[in-house]
Amino acid sequence: QLQLQESGPGLVKPSETLSLTCTVSGGSISSSSYYWTWIRQPPGKGLEWIGSIYYSGSTWYKPSLKSRVTISVDTSRNQYSLKLSSLTAADTAVYYCARRGGDPSFDYWGQGTLVTVSS
Amino acid sequence: QSALTQPPSASGSPGQSVTISCTGTSSDVGGQNSVSWYQQHPGKAPKVMLYEVSRRPSGVPDRFSGSKSGNTASLTVSGLQPEDEADYYCCSYAVSHTYFVFGTGTKITVL
Repeated sequence: QLQLQESGPGLVKPSETLSLTCTVSGGSISSSSYYWTWIRQPPGKGLEWIGSIYYSGSTWYKPSLKSRVTISVDTSRNQYSLKLSSLTAADTAVYYCARRGGDPSFDYWGQGTLVTVSS
Repeated sequence: QSALTQPPSASGSPGQSVTISCTGTSSDVGGQNSVSWYQQHPGKAPKVMLYEVSRRPSGVPDRFSGSKSGNTASLTVSGLQPEDEADYYCCSYAVSHTYFVFGTGTKITVL
């Protein structure tokens, strides 16, 4: 059974960079037809797609976040990562990693990790 | 890439049906059949309920169905059960295949 698990700091200061890692177990991140994705949800609000990466390193980002986002993949560790720079309080959210299939839909999700941006 | 529009809430009694809408544009919902729906219970990760407008993943009850007309997709839950009470989000792939956009979310209450 595929499992995804987010890890990273729960508190980050304004203007700094958020760094999260998603560890994939029970399957290979190098499988074709799957795209590894980050999605976030501010407290009490809706879901927001941040971006996706293919195992080859190809990336797709939400246009409004593109200047601040970097998603990378480490196939040797079966992990992928998110970096989001120039943080403000508006970036406070639960961050989910998820797998996107070819259909396309997000069929496997991590449990999510709350990141708070505060001094 | 504005969020897709959903009604904030919908409700029904056990056994009844409820339908929620998801309105986008010709650049997303109306441009292709890559609309998916997600159920989210409080404090939990979302779960995919439908993909490609109306296809159900294995294990999703056939009480959940979907359709699309023009720029609006719909999710219908028939035979409402208490466990269906949750937030529901639609999601569309952009025609350009460069981004995804989620809906604003709808809370379904089982009365």
